[in-house]
Amino acid sequence: DTGVSQDPRHKITKRGQNVTFRCDPISEHNRLYWYRQTLGQGPEFLTYFQNEAQLEKSRLLSDRFSAERPKGSFSTLEIQRTEQGDSAMYLCASSGRDGSYEQYFGPGTRLTVT
Amino acid sequence: AQTVTQSQPEMSVQEAETVTLSCTYDTSESDYYLFWYKQPPSRQMILVIRQEAYKQQNATENRFSVNFQKAAKSFSLKISDSQLGDAAMYFCAYRSVWNTGKLIFGQGTTLQVKP
Repeated sequence: DTGVSQDPRHKITKRGQNVTFRCDPISEHNRLYWYRQTLGQGPEFLTYFQNEAQLEKSRLLSDRFSAERPKGSFSTLEIQRTEQGDSAMYLCASSGRDGSYEQYFGPGTRLTVT
Repeated sequence: AQTVTQSQPEMSVQEAETVTLSCTYDTSESDYYLFWYKQPPSRQMILVIRQEAYKQQNATENRFSVNFQKAAKSFSLKISDSQLGDAAMYFCAYRSVWNTGKLIFGQGTTLQVKP
């Protein structure tokens, strides 16, 4: 078990471009969460998947954001037409199907929009 | 909606001393979980300690313990015998029993440990 992994670790993009991030959860975990963390602040919830179903989306997740989790394994988060305000750390976390409430976090993808 | 507040942006402690980080929260729920997470510089967030609201006994994990005051909606973290490796940002987080399990985080407290 290698933990939660995220790719890329860093992304610099120009305003207006599209970006996609990937999260690979711990293999047996059926629950997957995306959070956004701006500098010096706590993470804010974006969206939640149970298996392949997206069951909750935050109001922070504007229509420029879309997330998927095909086959209930890895997940992708896409941001279209990026804005400078999208610059943040995007964190992925997973938790198990045994009802455990511990979320295991990945290292995050730091997005910088210039 | 639930909120979590950490009113101490920065704290410092001498190595081997004890420090307490404060957290308050607001909720109308009676069942929930509370957590303290540690985020070292440029490293991923890890769980330090958790508390179930229905348990009156305060959680303890080695040098880390909490003071859970349910009526006051207070959840502080005490770190005993502070070590240099404890330097990090600490987040208090709330999780409802009934929803999807999403965490609601406070703003964080940066802990500096002085040798």
